[in-house]
Amino acid sequence: AQSVTQPDIHITVSEGASLELRCNYSYGATPYLFWYVQSPGQGLQLLLKYFSGDTLVQGIKGFEAEFKRSQSSFNLRKPSVHWSDAAEYFCAVGGRDDGNKLVFGAGTILRVKS
Amino acid sequence: GAVVSQHPSRVICKSGTSVKIECRSLDFQATTMFWYRQFPKQSLMLMATSNEGSKATYEQGVEKDKFLINHASLTLSTLTVTSAHPEDSSFYICSARGVWPYYGYTFGSGTRLTVV
Repeated sequence: AQSVTQPDIHITVSEGASLELRCNYSYGATPYLFWYVQSPGQGLQLLLKYFSGDTLVQGIKGFEAEFKRSQSSFNLRKPSVHWSDAAEYFCAVGGRDDGNKLVFGAGTILRVKS
Repeated sequence: GAVVSQHPSRVICKSGTSVKIECRSLDFQATTMFWYRQFPKQSLMLMATSNEGSKATYEQGVEKDKFLINHASLTLSTLTVTSAHPEDSSFYICSARGVWPYYGYTFGSGTRLTVV
């Protein structure tokens, strides 16, 4: 069965600093990979997704992620964090082999200090 | 872009009553709907998957008779929490997936259910 590990429960960065959120997945076939952001009490907003092709994926709000098959990773990055980026971030994996179900990681709460 | 409308956003109900949550895809046909539950400070747990016109497939440990899912059309899916109890209080989120170019999973804004 597929699984997702986000090893960092909380991360605090200074405004303007770079950010990397880690995501490791386990999936038997070619995965579909996603990063979502959630503000308190809200639904999920898609930041970016990887289905195939270029392993460096650009998303909204200046985020990018790189799919590294050899490391089973899909880390999210942003070169300069803004205070409005403070939220919870979820990595998710899915694919055709499991009925297209999405499995989510535990989430990483990002705090931005000014 | 793909939009999914979920209603209500908040609902408070008495223990023993039933609550229906609606999820509509506004600008695409949702061939598959997913229903998730999220407890405070936790991740999303998939409850069930439904394909239009078919019975929902429930994840292990999810009570089919308590969480009734209907996906009668390509734009509407409903989750009914029957005989709700305080332990059913949670944040419920739907997600819709369509055909190309809507392969992505578009999420509703969620429903905060409080059972008193």
